[in-house]
Amino acid sequence: GQSLEQPSEVTAVEGAIVQINCTYQTSGFYGLSWYQQHDGGAPTFLSYNGLDGLEETGRFSSFLSRSDSYGYLLLQELQMKDSASYFCAVREAAGNKLTFGGGTRVLVKP
Amino acid sequence: DSGVTQTPKHLITATGQRVTLRCSPRSGDLSVYWYQQSLDQGLQFLIQYYNGEERAKGNILERFSAQQFPDLHSELNLSSLELGDSALYFCASMKTGVPYGYTFGSGTRLTVV
Repeated sequence: GQSLEQPSEVTAVEGAIVQINCTYQTSGFYGLSWYQQHDGGAPTFLSYNGLDGLEETGRFSSFLSRSDSYGYLLLQELQMKDSASYFCAVREAAGNKLTFGGGTRVLVKP
Repeated sequence: DSGVTQTPKHLITATGQRVTLRCSPRSGDLSVYWYQQSLDQGLQFLIQYYNGEERAKGNILERFSAQQFPDLHSELNLSSLELGDSALYFCASMKTGVPYGYTFGSGTRLTVV
């Protein structure tokens, strides 16, 4: 079966850096994605890693190591608006569904 | 506006009833995916359609069914509703050939009382 593990909750202060780890076990692998979801809102796409390495998009970066079945999302210069849940997701084959992790709730304090 | 339209936004209904949730994907997207999200839970895959045909099924109950129409909009039918079916239901569409990036609709919040 497929499984994705990520921490359930992280708390940090404004301006800090938070790293959300995601480990996965899937029969196939076609990329690791990250989504942000504010309470009551829809998930929105943040980042994608198809190959090993770091992808940077503004204050957010995502990393993938396929040999370790591991990735992380790095949130820098945290702002209050970054308080949300963050989900990693794996696609096992092209065109297939995404399987999501359980989500990490990030709470940013002043 | 993400381009994926879901209606209705909110639905309150009684146990035992049947409801239909509607989703229109982004223009040009052929794939539609339905997900269920219960309170403080992750996103559970229900079913996928591609250009009118069912492509994959997840942990979808037999009381639930879906279809995708020729104009590519999709409907999720939930019947014999139970209290535990209360959840957010999202649909998402994806552009063919793009390896990532669902675009989600704003969801339908279903409350069964």
